[in-house]
Amino acid sequence: AQTVTQSQPEMSVQEAETVTLSCTYDTSENNYYLFWYKQPPSRQMILVIRQEAYKQQNATENRFSVNFQKAAKSFSLKISDSQLGDTAMYFCAFSRESGNTPLVFGKGTRLSVIA
Amino acid sequence: EPEVTQTPSHQVTQMGQEVILRCVPISNHLYFYWYRQILGQKVEFLVSFYNNEISEKSEIFDDQFSVERPDGSNFTLKIRSTKLEDSAMYFCASSDQGLRGYTFGSGTRLTVV
Repeated sequence: AQTVTQSQPEMSVQEAETVTLSCTYDTSENNYYLFWYKQPPSRQMILVIRQEAYKQQNATENRFSVNFQKAAKSFSLKISDSQLGDTAMYFCAFSRESGNTPLVFGKGTRLSVIA
Repeated sequence: EPEVTQTPSHQVTQMGQEVILRCVPISNHLYFYWYRQILGQKVEFLVSFYNNEISEKSEIFDDQFSVERPDGSNFTLKIRSTKLEDSAMYFCASSDQGLRGYTFGSGTRLTVV
């Protein structure tokens, strides 16, 4: 069975600074997909970024980027130029394939951006 | 941007009552899911649905739960006899098999009293 571990229950960052959220996972699969979801106080689940394991290049979406280390089974999220609206729970998630298998979530990291 | 729609946003029910949570997935998606998030905890998979049948389910999805796609658009989760521990946020999600991943609805907050 796959597991996802987020070792930082809470983090804080000053506005405009950079913060990195950690995620490790365990799987015997060779091909899989990794995701970061944001959950603001409204509790909506919003996709931030996704990474296909067969791609060596790290995914980037504007201020959000990942550091994907397949051998180490590590998938960290870097948020640059943090904004107050980035305050939320962030969940790392894994799926065996994209689109037709369930997501396995980590416990989440609560990020607070401080003015 | 296409959305997954969930109704109601909040439901309060008496213990032992049946509840039905409703979802309208994105129209061209083929895979549908229900997830549960107990307050302050992680999001847990309940069940996935494809081609009008359950494709996977977790150990949480016991005989008290059922899912249905009664028409071409709705996807429902029924809890037959609610327990206090069923109080949670329930998320519906849908996906295609493409590169856009999974889209979640806004959730239904279920409170069992």
